[in-house]
Amino acid sequence: QVQLQESGPGLVKPSQTLSLTCTVSGDSISSGSHYWSWIRQPAGKGLEWIGRVYSSGSTNYNPSLKSRVTISVDTSKNQFSLKLRSVTAADTAVYYCAREKSAAMLLSWGQGTLVTVSS
Amino acid sequence: QSVLAQPPSASGTPGQRVTISCSGSSSNVGTNYVYWYQQLPGTAPKLLISKTDQRPSGVPDRFSGSKSGTSASLAISGLRSEDEADYYCAAWDDSHVVFGGGTKLTVL
Repeated sequence: QVQLQESGPGLVKPSQTLSLTCTVSGDSISSGSHYWSWIRQPAGKGLEWIGRVYSSGSTNYNPSLKSRVTISVDTSKNQFSLKLRSVTAADTAVYYCAREKSAAMLLSWGQGTLVTVSS
Repeated sequence: QSVLAQPPSASGTPGQRVTISCSGSSSNVGTNYVYWYQQLPGTAPKLLISKTDQRPSGVPDRFSGSKSGTSASLAISGLRSEDEADYYCAAWDDSHVVFGGGTKLTVL
């Protein structure tokens, strides 16, 4: 059974870069059978898809975040990562990583990690 | 403002049938599959309905999905207390995923 686990700092200062890593177990990113996605959810609000990466490194991003986001993959470690630049308080949210079979089919999710942007 | 429109809340009594709507456009719901996610309090979302009307393994047949044009619906029959949760629709739209704003279902 696939498991995903987010990790990274829980507190980031405004204007800095938010960096998170998702470690996958029970499936191999390099198998090429899925996409690997990031989604976020501000407290009390809805879900926002950030973007996804394929094993080859190809990516898709939410147009509203594209200018600030980079998602990358490390198949040797079976991990994928999120970098969000120039963060503000509006980027405070629970960040989830997920396994995406195809467009919008998010099969498996991590438990989520809260990232707070504050000085 | 979410790309897909959902009612913010819905409610029903145990045993009732409840429907939740999801309204989009020709670039998302109108031309792509719709997915529904259930988020119980304090937990990560879970895929509830796949490819508009298919139930993943383990999802009770009380849950069903449908679509007509640019609108989709999630129906829950035989409502149970454990169905109290937030429900989100999602679809692909021009190279990215869009979500609805979510519907909070209350079982009275």
